[in-house]
Amino acid sequence: NAGVMQNPRHLVRRRGQEARLRCSPMKGHSHVYWYRQLPEEGLKFMVYLQKENIIDESGMPKERFSAEFPKEGPSILRIQQVVRGDSAAYFCASSPSGSTEAFFGQGTRLTVV
Amino acid sequence: GQSLEQPSEVTAVEGAIVQINCTYQTSGFYGLSWYQQHDGGAPTFLSYNALDGLEETGRFSSFLSRSDSYGYLLLQELQMKDSASYFCAVKAGSARQLTFGSGTQLTVLP
Repeated sequence: NAGVMQNPRHLVRRRGQEARLRCSPMKGHSHVYWYRQLPEEGLKFMVYLQKENIIDESGMPKERFSAEFPKEGPSILRIQQVVRGDSAAYFCASSPSGSTEAFFGQGTRLTVV
Repeated sequence: GQSLEQPSEVTAVEGAIVQINCTYQTSGFYGLSWYQQHDGGAPTFLSYNALDGLEETGRFSSFLSRSDSYGYLLLQELQMKDSASYFCAVKAGSARQLTFGSGTQLTVLP
């Protein structure tokens, strides 16, 4: 059973471009969380999704950021018109329904130049 | 919303015991978790407490007091490989989202 897969591992975008980050949860996991982490800082909650539903997006910036977890395929975190301040590590975690444990991917390091 | 506080740094020597505290403010509390992260890699799950008391898993133990909104992670017989960041996280709210503290950087000295 493969772990949580995130790709790409590293992503470089110029200011104004779009960034698309993908997360494939572990098999059988229906819950996905996205977090952002700046160097030497904690994991900031962004969004919590279940298949085809956004459960809690209270941590998502109101503009330029969106997330989805379709019935088929990976969860996508999309950042439009990226700015330098978007540079960070973005982690995805998945869990099965009712579980108390979340399993993290290796993260995507986004650098905006 | 949820907020958690934990010390930013802790230093201890090999073989020692260290306790990392976590206090939280939340509504709709379900449980407190602990995660370990090495050098910005994938955080890994260590423990989960839903009820008051101490849970022991090998060298690591975790404690929760719901009435005090407080928990701690206890690491015994410290090893160099335990140097990492440790995060407490609460599962809370109507959506049962998982919210993390800012992390405690543990440095184990020889």
